[in-house]
Order: sequence, then structure tokens, then C-alpha cells
Amino acid sequence: DAGITQSPRHKVTETGTPVTLRCHQTENHRYMYWYRQDPGHGLRLIHYSYGVKDTDKGEVSDGYSVSRSKTEDFLLTLESATSSQTSVYFCAISEKAGTGANVLTFGAGSRLTVL
Amino acid sequence: AQSVTQLGSHVSVSEGALVLLRCNYSSSVPPYLFWYVQYPNQGLQLLLKYTTGATLVKGINGFEAEFKKSETSFHLTKPSAHMSDAAEYFCAVSEGQGGFKTIFGAGTRLFVKA
Repeated sequence: DAGITQSPRHKVTETGTPVTLRCHQTENHRYMYWYRQDPGHGLRLIHYSYGVKDTDKGEVSDGYSVSRSKTEDFLLTLESATSSQTSVYFCAISEKAGTGANVLTFGAGSRLTVL
Repeated sequence: AQSVTQLGSHVSVSEGALVLLRCNYSSSVPPYLFWYVQYPNQGLQLLLKYTTGATLVKGINGFEAEFKKSETSFHLTKPSAHMSDAAEYFCAVSEGQGGFKTIFGAGTRLFVKA
């Protein structure tokens, strides 16, 4: 997990409350991603960023928003948490240069429980 | 659109036996393919990747995978399983040159019996 930190690592919240997960990197990588991991589904892309203030939706973006005001920080916000958003959330970063492969480096994950 | 299918959500092998984890992909453009491994309570880490060139790629911990375009497959193998190989393995695909989104399969959990 060198160079990428997720916070909080664990959170329990109630339905309807807002939640923000933070991803912080010290690698100065251009690309940042938020995935959620659920049994039987693997990792599904929520949102990604390809630069400061440049973000786009992934496969499962409904109910989530993101912001990236600095290269190093990528925030994931659940405006009004629901039980279906109980999951483990992973942040990933990459620095794809030219035609090279987009290799992801992952954070340790944030376990969110919505009651 | 790209997709990945991993055959078998759980695979169990004996220590010393061959490990074979199956992955098939779908991509409208030449893909880049990856295997990632996740140990308990950790994030994923790269095991190996295929971009272009040699279709048999070697990764860490004795794993290797072969890209077969005609079969749209990228199966992961290891000749002899070790107890420390017990983990969850994810196959992933991204669009080749220019692609920066990665799509993952559902994962295969590998159990290694003593």
C-alpha cells in the first residue's frame, strides 16, 4: 500500500446519512479510481479521474459522486447512504504512459457498513 | 464493451498440485490482460500482465499465464501449489493502447490443502 492511503478504514453509519471516503496518494499519478468489492461481483468501477477536476462514471456510479481538487486526493461521497452500499471500497492509482499497460496500485480498502 | 468471465468461484487443490484458474475475456479492441491477487484483508496486487508480444507471460511467485486470442482466454497456471498461494485471484482487462479503465472478473478463491 506504499504511496496510497484510504480513510477511514472502517465505518459504520446509518441509512440516509452522508459518507465521504478519502483516497490520498503520494505518487503523483494521474489516474485515480474508486472500486467497490462485493462477493460474487469482484471489483466494480464506481468512478475514475484522469486529472484534477476531470472525472467520469464507471459501471456502478448511481448514488455516488466524486471530487478531485488536487492531484493527490480523490474523494468518494455517498450523498445518502443505503444498505446496498455496504461494501469494501478500494481506491487505486495508475500512471499510464504512452502505450504502456495501465497497472493499478491499490489501497488497503475501506469497509463501510450501512445499517 | 469489455467483460471478463472467471470460471469457478472456488478452486481447491492439494499442495504440490497444478493450479489452473480460468479466465475468458471479451473486448472489441486488442486487450491488455492482467491477473491480480488479493490476500486476506489486503488490497489487490499485480501478479502478471500481458500487453503485446510473447503470449506466455511469467509473473511473481511462479505463476504464468498464456494469452490465446483464438480462444479469448488468459488462464493462470502454476505447476506446484504452495500453502501460501491461498488467496483470491482476479482476472482483468483493459483496452490496449490508450485505455485506462480496467474491468475485473468476479474472482476465484484458491484453497490449498495440505
